[in-house]
Amino acid sequence: KAGVTQTPRYLIKTRGQQVTLSCSPISGHRSVSWYQQTPGQGLQFLFEYFSETQRNKGNFPGRFSGRQFSNSRSEMNVSTLELGDSALYLCASRGDSLITDTQYFGPGTRLTVL
Amino acid sequence: AQSVTQLGSHVSVSEGALVLLRCNYSSSVPPYLFWYVQYPNQGLQLLLKYTTGATLVKGINGFEAEFKKSETSFHLTKPSAHMSDAAEYFCAVPTGGGNKLTFGTGTQLKVEL
Repeated sequence: KAGVTQTPRYLIKTRGQQVTLSCSPISGHRSVSWYQQTPGQGLQFLFEYFSETQRNKGNFPGRFSGRQFSNSRSEMNVSTLELGDSALYLCASRGDSLITDTQYFGPGTRLTVL
Repeated sequence: AQSVTQLGSHVSVSEGALVLLRCNYSSSVPPYLFWYVQYPNQGLQLLLKYTTGATLVKGINGFEAEFKKSETSFHLTKPSAHMSDAAEYFCAVPTGGGNKLTFGTGTQLKVEL
């Protein structure tokens, strides 16, 4: 079956702009999580959506937001971009349990803020 | 809060040599533990995970890890390194009510001829 799809794969924006990233999970998966990966901070959890509800949120400013649609597809939005937002944004999907189900990651969206 | 520590941000081995990547967890309660691998320009892929039961866990690509409660460790090993094993490896533990992963800082594995 198809894996986790993220679009776009690469994005260049300037400071102050906003950006929307998209994630299509594996069919049947209701949980979608987002992670930010940077050389300095490593992998950091942004938020998790489960059946259209945000279930967990990481320690990021309110400029970072997300949502999940009824088909489980998810988007994350970053407003008023800062240089420090340059990162690889990874989306992951899984079944109901992180313990018993495998979490699959997409290839990521590489965001560069100039 | 549960966390994991990966010792050695870079590890270099010769092809055919033993691979040992270290991960220690902090918790008084036996946790669930994961190892993920990230190849260049790709997302993360689950190598193996410890949940309950057998403490020696076998994963994909010939990797295995042993959960040692006495040492609070979950080190990743492979008997014989292959060039294709060159990647970054992350140890992770579920947190936030078990619905998110907290990752270690990662270990970049280099395999030399």
